[in-house]
Amino acid sequence: DTGVSQDPRHKITKRGQNVTFRCDPISEHNRLYWYRQTLGQGPEFLTYFQNEAQLEKSRLLSDRFSAERPKGSFSTLEIQRTEQGDSAMYLCASSYRQGGTDTQYFGPGTRLTVL
Amino acid sequence: DAKTTQPNSMESNEEEPVHLPCNHSTISGTDYIHWYRQLPSQGPEYVIHGLTSNVNNRMASLAIAEDRKSSTLILHRATLRDAAVYYCILLKQAGTALIFGKGTTLSVSS
Repeated sequence: DTGVSQDPRHKITKRGQNVTFRCDPISEHNRLYWYRQTLGQGPEFLTYFQNEAQLEKSRLLSDRFSAERPKGSFSTLEIQRTEQGDSAMYLCASSYRQGGTDTQYFGPGTRLTVL
Repeated sequence: DAKTTQPNSMESNEEEPVHLPCNHSTISGTDYIHWYRQLPSQGPEYVIHGLTSNVNNRMASLAIAEDRKSSTLILHRATLRDAAVYYCILLKQAGTALIFGKGTTLSVSS
């Protein structure tokens, strides 16, 4: 049973550079989520896909952020022109509906450090 | 959105039961009660969820008050590996995004 995987696990970049993260969900899950977590805080929702359609976006997702899920499989999250405030753990989760509600399974996260 | 209130921290001894409380006085009829936990340097992990009745699984039990305004996550025998931040989250039946608060940091001593 393979869980949610994320790549890379760590990324260090300089301010102004673009970065892209990948998430591979659990294969039979049709929903995929991105969250961001800063030190000492709980995760914050960024965006959600059902299959290949991006159905929700948080106000946290500025225009420098873009997410895709081509063919409803893996997903990528790109941050353009990174800023120091983008330093955080980026978490991906996938889900299926269990008993009328979603059960989300999280990956290990990608830790981004912007210098 | 209905909010949850949890203690900031709790302590337990190994092999003792732990009762983690959560208040959600503004819960609506379609809100499911979810619990997730996050171990250090890991992504959150699903623990259990329920709607009205108490629930048990291999990880924990969830006791839901009759008026649904509070719930308790029960770890029957705490181990050192249970030291984590525990989040109580309300999710509507058609809901998607999990809204995490600060959770309860559980410390377990040997």
